[in-house]
Amino acid sequence: GESVGLHLPTLSVQEGDNSIINCAYSNSASDYFIWYKQESGKGPQFIIDIRSNMDKRQGQRVTVLLNKTVKHLSLQIAATQPGDSAVYFCAGNGYNNNDMRFGAGTRLTVKP
Amino acid sequence: DGGITQSPKYLFRKEGQNVTLSCEQNLNHDAMYWYRQDPGQGLRLIYYSQIVNDFQKGDIAEGYSVSREKKESFPLTVTSAQKNPTAFYLCASSLIRPANTGELFFGEGSRLTVL
Repeated sequence: GESVGLHLPTLSVQEGDNSIINCAYSNSASDYFIWYKQESGKGPQFIIDIRSNMDKRQGQRVTVLLNKTVKHLSLQIAATQPGDSAVYFCAGNGYNNNDMRFGAGTRLTVKP
Repeated sequence: DGGITQSPKYLFRKEGQNVTLSCEQNLNHDAMYWYRQDPGQGLRLIYYSQIVNDFQKGDIAEGYSVSREKKESFPLTVTSAQKNPTAFYLCASSLIRPANTGELFFGEGSRLTVL
């Protein structure tokens, strides 16, 4: 079956350090991936996306890396801030272009 | 403002009752989605629709029903057949891939509690 999952359920980092959140997927047909941030009691917010024809994409303080060979993607957050504390989800499309599946999430805690 | 609106934010239901959650968007998006989120877990896809009058089952469609009579609206009915309906329900919309980016725009969620 298809699944999108995460390696670690929690991650704690010191303010100012870089954070790396990992995600694995199983569907070889997945060609589009998104990282979302969710704060408690709210809907997820888009962070960054990447298509399978790329292996790296950068945003403001964030970088997504995609390794199609091992079906793995990661989200790197530079100079992590207290406001980055949230649950982070990766999502990827299934066999259809528009059916996005989500992983279980990683809770990032930033220590001052 | 453009956005996606879910209502109600909180809903309580007695066992055996059906309940309908509303989702409206004014982003002119063709695709709409319903996800369920349980505590400490990710989002699981219930149903999605890519065009008016058409929708597809996701991974956990049993006990749920949807309709897509208008582009702007995608209501979700949680039926009495859903064995464990207490959860946080999230609606989303997007443009259609691959011609467009597939970024999902989410509502603020509806928290359903069955008493």
